[in-house]
Amino acid sequence: GQQVMQIPQYQHVQEGEDFTTYCNSSTTLSNIQWYKQRPGGHPVFLIQLVKSGEVKKQKRLTFQFGEAKKNSSLHITATQTTDVGTYFCAVILNRDDKIIFGKGTRLHILP
Amino acid sequence: KAGVTQTPRYLIKTRGQQVTLSCSPISGHRSVSWYQQTPGQGLQFLFEYFSETQRNKGNFPGRFSGRQFSNSRSEMNVSTLELGDSALYLCASSLSFSGTRRTGANVLTFGAGSRLTVL
Repeated sequence: GQQVMQIPQYQHVQEGEDFTTYCNSSTTLSNIQWYKQRPGGHPVFLIQLVKSGEVKKQKRLTFQFGEAKKNSSLHITATQTTDVGTYFCAVILNRDDKIIFGKGTRLHILP
Repeated sequence: KAGVTQTPRYLIKTRGQQVTLSCSPISGHRSVSWYQQTPGQGLQFLFEYFSETQRNKGNFPGRFSGRQFSNSRSEMNVSTLELGDSALYLCASSLSFSGTRRTGANVLTFGAGSRLTVL
């Protein structure tokens, strides 16, 4: 079965609106990574979260790791056209040390 | 420093043929992972190699195989190609293996991918 669920699958927002994608697991995660893939490109690493309840910011991007280490979110404030792409979470399950990716959230920005 | 290099970038094969894809990791990276990306299934894990040993394998048939050389370069092979094997094959390298406790050492740097079309 699916080990990590990422929602929503697609998101259309007006430029300037906020955007959030969520990553949920049924098992405790040792850590979580977030990647961005621009259209026609390859995934590029954004950030890694390790600690329970951790919050990290990169300019307009805010990343959170849940207290139970079973979920995470990526929030973008005031989206810009450069934010277009697919955002993936990637997790390592405690019981298995391979990195598996969520199905991603594709963000479309409407001008 | 040079990034992850994948060759070839594009290739077209017919059903039943076999294909070999190559990946040169970032200098100093000892782990190489392979993923298959399709529109419907997202990024599917194929396998991970570290120090010439396969550490993990995804749920793909035995037609998919790989190896890693002493210089950390990796190849993957798909035999008896099927139409459903058409995909973007992405290689990613990291300093250490995915389950390492060294924070940041399992961060993946991806290559541009090899786009395989099976006719």
